Amino acid sequence: DSGVTQTPKHLITATGQRVTLRCSPRSGDLSVYWYQQSLDQGLQFLIQYYNGEERAKGNILERFSAQQFPDLHSELNLSSLELGDSALYFCASSPNRGASSPPAFGSGTRLTVV
Amino acid sequence: AQSVSQHNHHVILSEAASLELGCNYSYGGTVNLFWYVQYPGQHLQLLLKYFSGDPLVKGIKGFEAEFIKSKFSFNLRKPSVQWSDTAEYFCAVIIYNQGGKLIFGQGTELSVKP
Repeated sequence: DSGVTQTPKHLITATGQRVTLRCSPRSGDLSVYWYQQSLDQGLQFLIQYYNGEERAKGNILERFSAQQFPDLHSELNLSSLELGDSALYFCASSPNRGASSPPAFGSGTRLTVV
Repeated sequence: AQSVSQHNHHVILSEAASLELGCNYSYGGTVNLFWYVQYPGQHLQLLLKYFSGDPLVKGIKGFEAEFIKSKFSFNLRKPSVQWSDTAEYFCAVIIYNQGGKLIFGQGTELSVKP
């Protein structure tokens, strides 16, 4: 167990809908990262938050947004869903905002858009 | 753009065979290097990491990796694989002073036949 908790584990929804994925970081970690894993794109970095503030942005679509709350949990919101958004979404956390500690990963949320 | 390349998409070995998975990255500056493993249905787990110092690093479960700066490589090795090593292996880098986001390779699926 990595200490990073993601809910739900599985999500099936229709095209055009909106979903929210939730992540609770490991105790003491201030940074939260979101990654998307798909067969064609592999593991892609989406976004990083550090202590409530957006820290870095990757290949995140405009239809996607995220935030980190004062209790440090984070949510990834995916809207106007398309079939191509079907993927495994991982959350990871680390103690700080830089490169000195490799992130620990949650078990992921498998999103299926039908 | 910075990228990470893993040489093999799928490797099939018999138990007790030796393993070497190739990884190259494209960035001329300072990087931290990692190998993660993803067992079927599980989250990504850190196998080993390199920050600085001895370029030969040892990780969990008998894995080791060698950083060769001149070749921009960080190959993963294990002298004798076991059936339980069947998993997907990801090489990743964090670029110094660019936050803590991981840039992943495409992954190598390892199948070990008993």
